[in-house]
Amino acid sequence: GAGVSQSPSNKVTEKGKDVELRCDPISGHTALYWYRQSLGQGLEFLIYFQGNSAPDKSGLPSDRFSAERTGGSVSTLTIQRTQQEDSAVYLCASSLDPGFDINEQFFGPGTRLTVL
Amino acid sequence: LAKTTQPISMDSYEGQEVNITCSHNNIATNDYITWYQQFPSQGPRFIIQGYKTKVTNEVASLFIPADRKSSTLSLPRVSLSDTAVYYCLVGLNTDKLIFGTGTRLQVFP
Repeated sequence: GAGVSQSPSNKVTEKGKDVELRCDPISGHTALYWYRQSLGQGLEFLIYFQGNSAPDKSGLPSDRFSAERTGGSVSTLTIQRTQQEDSAVYLCASSLDPGFDINEQFFGPGTRLTVL
Repeated sequence: LAKTTQPISMDSYEGQEVNITCSHNNIATNDYITWYQQFPSQGPRFIIQGYKTKVTNEVASLFIPADRKSSTLSLPRVSLSDTAVYYCLVGLNTDKLIFGTGTRLQVFP
């Protein structure tokens, strides 16, 4: 069955450019999460969506980062005026409903962002 | 959110049982304990989740003592393909996941 997909798989950009990362969650999953992982590090939470609303934006590192989700499905993470410290793997995950007893998050393969 | 502490790395040999212990001294009453596995260049994958006592599924067991201040992930008869980073997470099921640096397990032939 289809899992979480992300595009592009790799993105190389120049400092100062804007980038848009896309996540297609598993169909029917109401919760969607964005994380980022720097080389050799654990995952850092960025933002969480329940449906189309984002009750928790506490992890967004700066106002250059924004995210939206439409139709309770696809989500895009936008980074404006990219900086070299934004270079990382950006991971998206979805889960059926965080109210269930077991909140298993299914992760996509990630987008590797390199800012030159 | 409860902070977790786990060993940075562990080594094992194929066929052995591996136990990875995680400390979470300030776990809250409603917190669950969840373990994820991550291979290089892939997103993490859910292994097991529990609240108390023992949970077992087809790939692992999770042992949680009565005080819930620690937990142990048990991988029976590991193979080379179990070489990965293992993350212990503690929190509400409605929470985002807070990952530490995990335990890097290396399985040797």
